[in-house]
Amino acid sequence: EVQLVESGGGLVQPGGSLRLSCATSGFTFSASDIHWVRQASGKGLEWVGRIRHKAYDYATAYAASVKGRFTMSRDDSKNTAYLQMNSLRTEDTAVYYCTTWELRAFDIWGQGTMVTVSS
Amino acid sequence: QSALTQPASVSGSPGQSITISCTGTSSDVGDYNYVSWYQQHPGKAPKLMIYDVTNRPSGVSNRFSGSKSGNTASLTISGLQAEDEADYYCSSYASSSPNWVFGGGTKLTVL
Repeated sequence: EVQLVESGGGLVQPGGSLRLSCATSGFTFSASDIHWVRQASGKGLEWVGRIRHKAYDYATAYAASVKGRFTMSRDDSKNTAYLQMNSLRTEDTAVYYCTTWELRAFDIWGQGTMVTVSS
Repeated sequence: QSALTQPASVSGSPGQSITISCTGTSSDVGDYNYVSWYQQHPGKAPKLMIYDVTNRPSGVSNRFSGSKSGNTASLTISGLQAEDEADYYCSSYASSSPNWVFGGGTKLTVL
């Protein structure tokens, strides 16, 4: 069974940092692109960014709203992807999901991890 | 403001059919067949229902179908059931950043 499990969310002050993890199992992680999508409470889905697999040199792409502040990485030996979030703002408060991209769509989603940016 | 436009809400009675529209531009929906639809129940993660405009992943009921005309994609749910009540989001690949865009979501109420 394909599984993605996010962790690392929590409460952080504006300007602070947080690193989210996305632990995966049940598929060939090393050959898969991973995307991050977030959802503020009561709002819609917002694409955050993507990290490609090794064959594409782990290329990353980010939404304009997080570019320069967020960094994606991955450890294929641990089947885990990461989202490093720096200079956090109140508007970054959301549930963060990691998801696979296999069917030219966001196929499998984790359960999400809540990030709250507040003083 | 979301990149793709969806109606805020739709409703239907059990057994009826409903259609949710998703309007983009020639730079996303109109130019790519990477249109997908997601169902989200309260407090749960989104679930892929349709990919590549018309395709259903394994395990998704054939009551769900997708289509596209020009810059507008549509999701149709036939034979409405109580468990279909949820939020639905469309998504498309886009030629410019952000390269993946979502609609604002549509709340489906089964009367």
